[in-house]
Amino acid sequence: QSVLTQPPSASGTPGQRVTISCSGSGSNIGSNSVFWYQQLPGTAPKLLIYINNQRPSGVPDRFSASKSGTSASLAISGLRSEDEADYYCAAWDDSLSGVVFGGGTKLTVL
Amino acid sequence: EVHLVESGGGLVQPGGSLRLSCAASGFTFTSYWMTWVRQAPGKGLEWVANIKQDGSEKYYVDSVKGRLTISRDNARNSLYLQMNNLRAEDTAVYYCARYQSISSAWFDPWGQGTLVTVSS
Repeated sequence: QSVLTQPPSASGTPGQRVTISCSGSGSNIGSNSVFWYQQLPGTAPKLLIYINNQRPSGVPDRFSASKSGTSASLAISGLRSEDEADYYCAAWDDSLSGVVFGGGTKLTVL
Repeated sequence: EVHLVESGGGLVQPGGSLRLSCAASGFTFTSYWMTWVRQAPGKGLEWVANIKQDGSEKYYVDSVKGRLTISRDNARNSLYLQMNNLRAEDTAVYYCARYQSISSAWFDPWGQGTLVTVSS
């Protein structure tokens, strides 16, 4: 049972817009920044979004994210086949004095 | 280019020990916190431990406290994870990552990972 809650799966067709939610509590998302990671099949995770909604250089602007209260969401517009991956949200948890991850969402491009 | 390369994984019996290493290059190692994150087969990511630039502060997930120890050798630009009294549930790919700042979940970049299998 992960501290942050994500839907286990999501799907969309090429060109569509999909969103992935991430729900936490006041000790993590409610008081700290949210980060998103993309893990392509068979590879190491890669930073996708930092500090709630910032994209590292090289990440397409098709990827966007937001945070409100104790929840966050990742949006992918103009869905492409290469976006098929696992997506994880993460945040620091003040109560645990450590980093917590969501359980991950497997995105399928139909 | 920033590069992290893990090594030291393998098969170990329950109760055994293993030491993972992570060689860092392409950045000023002494300027960054570092971290270990693991991923059990077919499962999600789990943060394991963080260590401050000079090694004076360390944080661990509760499930590994007293068994796994994070350390670093700044002269060798290397990060380590000493794993003792290993359990089956420690079986995972272990990733090292550069940690941007404490009280965040900012890990970038990640190494390719090294697999630890705890089994008799």
